Parts: sequence; structure tokens; C-alpha cells
Amino acid sequence: AQKITQTQPGMFVQEKEAVTLDCTYDTSDPSYGLFWYKQPSSGEMIFLIYQGSYDQQNATEGRYSLNFQKARKSANLVISASQLGDSAMYFCAMRRPPALQGGSEKLVFGKGTKLTVNP
Amino acid sequence: DVKVTQSSRYLVKRTGEKVFLECVQDMDHENMFWYRQDPGLGLRLIYFSYDVKMKEKGDIPEGYSVSREKKERFSLILESASTNQTSMYLCASSLTGGRSQDTQYFGPGTRLTVL
Repeated sequence: AQKITQTQPGMFVQEKEAVTLDCTYDTSDPSYGLFWYKQPSSGEMIFLIYQGSYDQQNATEGRYSLNFQKARKSANLVISASQLGDSAMYFCAMRRPPALQGGSEKLVFGKGTKLTVNP
Repeated sequence: DVKVTQSSRYLVKRTGEKVFLECVQDMDHENMFWYRQDPGLGLRLIYFSYDVKMKEKGDIPEGYSVSREKKERFSLILESASTNQTSMYLCASSLTGGRSQDTQYFGPGTRLTVL
């Protein structure tokens, strides 16, 4: 069964510094996708970045990058130059294949990491 | 931009009441999902739908049912609300057969309190 593990319940970082949020995953499927979401206190889940299992390069989106180490089954999120607005919950998720032919792919989520950016 | 809306941001109900949570998306997505989110547990999938009138159980369907009569609307129903269903409920939608990196798009959430 697919599983996502985020071992850091909470993280603190100083404004303008970089921070790494950990994510490890477990799957026996050769094809999978990994997502990171941000959830501010308002509650809405915001998509940040995606990494496919066959992608040769690590994904980057502005200040966000994904440190993808396939052999170690890790997909850590790196936020560079932290800003106060980065304070939020961060969730790692993995796309799992449909249970039935023609069914829908679903996401399995980790339990999240609460990031606090200090001024 | 994809927009997913939920009928209420906050809802307070009494034990035993029948509760309807509504979700609407405006991007013609085939797939729609209902999750509940509890502290320390992350998001857990309750039900999802991959087409009108089609539904499939997620990881925690007990105590819930769903309805999808129109493509854009997906309803979560608590037949007889209980205090252990107090939670944040999130709706999401996604394309079928899109690019591999196509993600799920989420609504703002409904924080339900059952007294």
C-alpha cells in the first residue's frame, strides 16, 4: 500500500533563510507522482510543486524546489529565502493508481508539517 | 483558473441531524473528492466520484454518503451527525486523462461542529 511519511510535526525558520521539509514515501508502483501543497490558516490547499517518478531533473517552481532522491524514496521540499507568508501547514502527497480499470487516480497525503517563519 | 466552492465555511449542527455539504466546480472536471482533515491525521479520503452518478468509497466512508447528479456538483451527506464527525471537510476536483502533473484543486473547506 502507498504511504507518505512526514516526520517533522513542526519546523521553525528565520525570515530569508532556506528550509527543508522532509517527505518519504513507500510504493511498489514504478510510475507515481509526488505533490506538495501549502495550507495557510485560511484553510485552502494550494498546489506548490510536482515531481514525476520518471522525471530526470528535480522540479523547481520559483522559491520552491523538490529534492527528489528516488533510491531513498524521499521527496523533500526546499523553500529558499523564507518569507513571513510562508508560515503554514505543508503536505506531501502521492498519486496512487486507480483500484479499477478506468477508475480515478487518487492522492494519499502525509500528516503535514507546520512551518513557522520568524521575523 | 479552476474554482471550487463549498456552500459554507462554518457549520454547527446537533447530534442526529442530517447534514448536507455542497461542493461546486466550474472547470468541467470529471473527478470530485471529499476529504476530512483532523489535526495530526492529515487528509483522509471519504468518497470520490469519477462521473455523474458514479461514486467510489475512499478510506473512511462509514457514516457518510454522497450524491452527484450533475457534473459540477458533489454533495457529502451525513445521515445522522455524530460528535466524532466534527472536522474540517475539504472538496477537490481534477481532470481525467490529463497530464501526469495535473493536480487536484481544492475548495476553501467547511469547518463542521456537531454538538
